Amino acid sequence: DIQMTQSPSTLSASVGDRVTITCRASQSISTWVAWYQQKPGKVPKVLIYQASNLESGVPSRFSGSGSGTEFTLTIRSLQPDDFAFYYCQHYKDYPETFGQGTKVEIK
Amino acid sequence: EVQLVQSGAEVKKPGESLRISCQTSGYSFSSYWISWVRQMPGKGLEWMGGINPHDSYTNYSPSFRGHVTISVDKSISTAYLQWSSLKASDSAMYYCARRSGITGTDLWGQGTLVTVSS
Repeated sequence: DIQMTQSPSTLSASVGDRVTITCRASQSISTWVAWYQQKPGKVPKVLIYQASNLESGVPSRFSGSGSGTEFTLTIRSLQPDDFAFYYCQHYKDYPETFGQGTKVEIK
Repeated sequence: EVQLVQSGAEVKKPGESLRISCQTSGYSFSSYWISWVRQMPGKGLEWMGGINPHDSYTNYSPSFRGHVTISVDKSISTAYLQWSSLKASDSAMYYCARRSGITGTDLWGQGTLVTVSS
């Protein structure tokens, strides 16, 4: 099974900062990675699919990159609405594991 | 409107059985896999398994295989997640989600909270 190792687990940042979250796959998964945002008590929301494609309606300050085993989610100029949990997930094959999650909190 | 609507919150006792549902609408049910995802209180997302509604082929995470069963009823475009014998550790929020071949998990149900307590 493919494991997704996400880091950091917590990230403290200020409004306006550029933040980067990383996911490493245990084996090559091409670009079959999605990134989700989840706020407390809410349903996860897809931000990025196929590593770098922005989901419709998601602000352009979010971007994704990577292929093979290394993937990043970048938020350019963090906004107050962005303080949340973020998860990567691979969908190369089954089981489609998630990363452990990153909490982006206010510094 | 494309949507996945899950059944309501459940409170059960250990050892009881349970089936929760995910009713879909607004798209061709047989064209997309349905996944189930667990989120324990204060924890991350865990992919439990998925089902192809076209032929009911299932795939389970090793962590959940043998403890839950995923099924569908194509006639009513509904997917199910069931337990034959609940444990307290099954207390969690459970999400169903539509799985697209290109975009991954692109649409989520609102979640069903399951509480197992004696």
